[in-house]
Amino acid sequence: GAGVSQTPSNKVTEKGKYVELRCDPISGHTALYWYRQSLGQGPEFLIYFQGTGAADDSGLPNDRFFAVRPEGSVSTLKIQRTERGDSAVYLCASSLSPVAKNIQYFGAGTRLSVL
Amino acid sequence: SQQGEEDPQALSIQEGENATMNCSYKTSINNLQWYRQNSGRGLVHLILIRSNEREKHSGRLRVTLDTSKKSSSLLITASRAADTASYFCAAVYNFNKFYFGSGTKLNVKP
Repeated sequence: GAGVSQTPSNKVTEKGKYVELRCDPISGHTALYWYRQSLGQGPEFLIYFQGTGAADDSGLPNDRFFAVRPEGSVSTLKIQRTERGDSAVYLCASSLSPVAKNIQYFGAGTRLSVL
Repeated sequence: SQQGEEDPQALSIQEGENATMNCSYKTSINNLQWYRQNSGRGLVHLILIRSNEREKHSGRLRVTLDTSKKSSSLLITASRAADTASYFCAAVYNFNKFYFGSGTKLNVKP
């Protein structure tokens, strides 16, 4: 596709459930980032992939959060035992290279609501 | 925290006026970028300024960077109602670590 695609656009779940959020980056972009954005705040870094590997996962808040990118393209952010505090917009971004002209292209996000 | 911090948090101006937003960060950066976000949408890249640059222009946008003060400013000249959005600075470290500020919400009244 032309841009970064995130699905679903909205996800409502109950406390304690497991959720998966998907990101389809721009074709050919090797770097992929996940962010979390709370209302009125800027994006907060969660994890960065270079190819298939997680190059930096220092932003993941705890071990309930996990992300994969098995083939170096689509990525899935997985949240176990969801809590109400996990409610936020989860943004995905991709870039052509992490070094040269590292401009990020963002998806529209997945709005997660944990009831 | 190495996040960029922005001010003002909110800015309301009339169409045709200039809008200035400021950003501060905490440690040495590779570059600083500005993004725009319309309500309910993802962020869109506006402009990038490298750590060895002091000023950059792109259309109606002017960005300055003062590495001694660890601060940047974004100026939008001759604002339009369509410029209404939230604007975020991103301080970039190690070429791949982006720290975003909390944003400035700009409202341009027609």
